[in-house]
Amino acid sequence: SAVISQKPSRDICQRGTSLTIQCQVDSQVTMMFWYRQQPGQSLTLIATANQGSEATYESGFVIDKFPISRPNLTFSTLTVSNMSPEDSSIYLCSVGTANNIQETQYFGPGTRLLVL
Amino acid sequence: KQEVTQIPAALSVPEGENLVLNCSFTDSAIYNLQWFRQDPGKGLTSLLLIQSSQREQTSGRLNASLDKSSGRSTLYIAASQPGDSATYLCAVIFSGTYKYIFGTGTRLKVLA
Repeated sequence: SAVISQKPSRDICQRGTSLTIQCQVDSQVTMMFWYRQQPGQSLTLIATANQGSEATYESGFVIDKFPISRPNLTFSTLTVSNMSPEDSSIYLCSVGTANNIQETQYFGPGTRLLVL
Repeated sequence: KQEVTQIPAALSVPEGENLVLNCSFTDSAIYNLQWFRQDPGKGLTSLLLIQSSQREQTSGRLNASLDKSSGRSTLYIAASQPGDSATYLCAVIFSGTYKYIFGTGTRLKVLA
């Protein structure tokens, strides 16, 4: 299993500002993912964070709005840029174990973001 | 399109009842299915993971079954307790992909 931590756990931000969320894993993992959960909704995948290359974004999500870094196999950041109230969500990091990504994925505790 | 659906969207039961939550998915070719619990404003807690080759998994009062041919999974909760009140999410990794597709969740309330 993998133990995942996220910082910050929650934040309240002003419209037009940016917030960077960190995801730290206690072991090296093949893949890291960022999900968003808007109020009352289920989880939606934003992008896959690739180590050493640009992230792979899902339909409806763009790099300018959600830039992602993955400097090594245990750490990733997601930035929510030029925030608006519609960005108020829980943002979750998940990771896939090194051997077989389809076996399971583990989820972090989430970052709860409120944009005023 | 690969989708995951959960029924019912919300459920309220008296304490002590046994209950079943349903999850259906559009493609029988899956790698695994996982049930999660989410408390209000919180992250996800993994409850049970069923691999493609398995038919069920059990943990305490929870039992999850998988029927790939019909595209269905059920989560059975025995002797429900107020502490079981939460949203339950079903998620599937379809074959040929590596990402979870989540259902819309069932919001459960167990009344004392």
